[in-house]
Amino acid sequence: EVQLVESGGGLVHPGGSLRLSCIVSGFKFSNYWMHWVRQVPGKGLVWVSRINLDGSSATYADSVKGRFTISRDNAKDTLYLQMNSLRVEDTGLYFCGRDDSSGIQGWFDPWGQGTLVTVSS
Amino acid sequence: EIVLTQSPGTLSLSPGERATLSCRASQSVNSDYLVWYQQKPGQAPRLLIYSTFSRAAGFPDRFSGSGSGTDFTLTISRLEPEDFAVYYCQYYDSSLYTFGQGTKLEIK
Repeated sequence: EVQLVESGGGLVHPGGSLRLSCIVSGFKFSNYWMHWVRQVPGKGLVWVSRINLDGSSATYADSVKGRFTISRDNAKDTLYLQMNSLRVEDTGLYFCGRDDSSGIQGWFDPWGQGTLVTVSS
Repeated sequence: EIVLTQSPGTLSLSPGERATLSCRASQSVNSDYLVWYQQKPGQAPRLLIYSTFSRAAGFPDRFSGSGSGTDFTLTISRLEPEDFAVYYCQYYDSSLYTFGQGTKLEIK
C-alpha cells in the first residue's frame, strides 16, 4: 500500500523555523518527483514546492522563495521542507504529494494526511 | 498566471440528483493538465479526474469530467451519500500549480 506520512508541524513564533518530514512507503521513492502543498484550515489549496528525483533541482512558489528549502533523502525514503523566517500567512496544513517520474505529470497522487503548522505570536 | 474560478461556491443537492460543478480558467489551458480532486472532512485531497476526462482508480463511473479551452466541468450523474465533499480543480503549467477555490457539495 502506498503511504505518505508527514510530521514535524507545530506552533512557532513569527520569524521562527520548522522542519517538516514526509516518510513514504509502498513505492520506490527515488523514482518520483515530490511536492509540498499547503491548505489553510477551512480554505483552499496552495502549491508550495517540488523536487526532482535526485534532489538536484527544486522549484518554489514565489511566496516562500528564499525562506523554504525542499530536500529529500532517497536512502531514507523521506522528503523534507525546511521552513525559515516563518510568517503568520504560512499557517496551514502541509501535505506532501507524489508526482510521477518525469515531473511533468501535473498532479499529485496520492497525498499524505498532512501536518499542521501554526505561526502565531 | 492562470487563475481558476470554481462555481458555485456551495451546491446543495439531494442524493440521486445530478451535480454539475464548473471550473473556469482565466485563459485557455491545455486540457492534459486539468485535474479534479475530492476532499472529505479531515482527509487529504484525493485525485478524482486527470487530464480533464480520465477517472482515477477507485472512483465509479458516475463521476465524469469534460471541457476544453477555459471551461471545464465535473459531473456526478446520481449523487450518493459518500459524494458530498469539497471538490477542487487544479492546473499545471510551466512549474506553476494552480488550484481553484473549491466547490462544497452539501446535502440538501
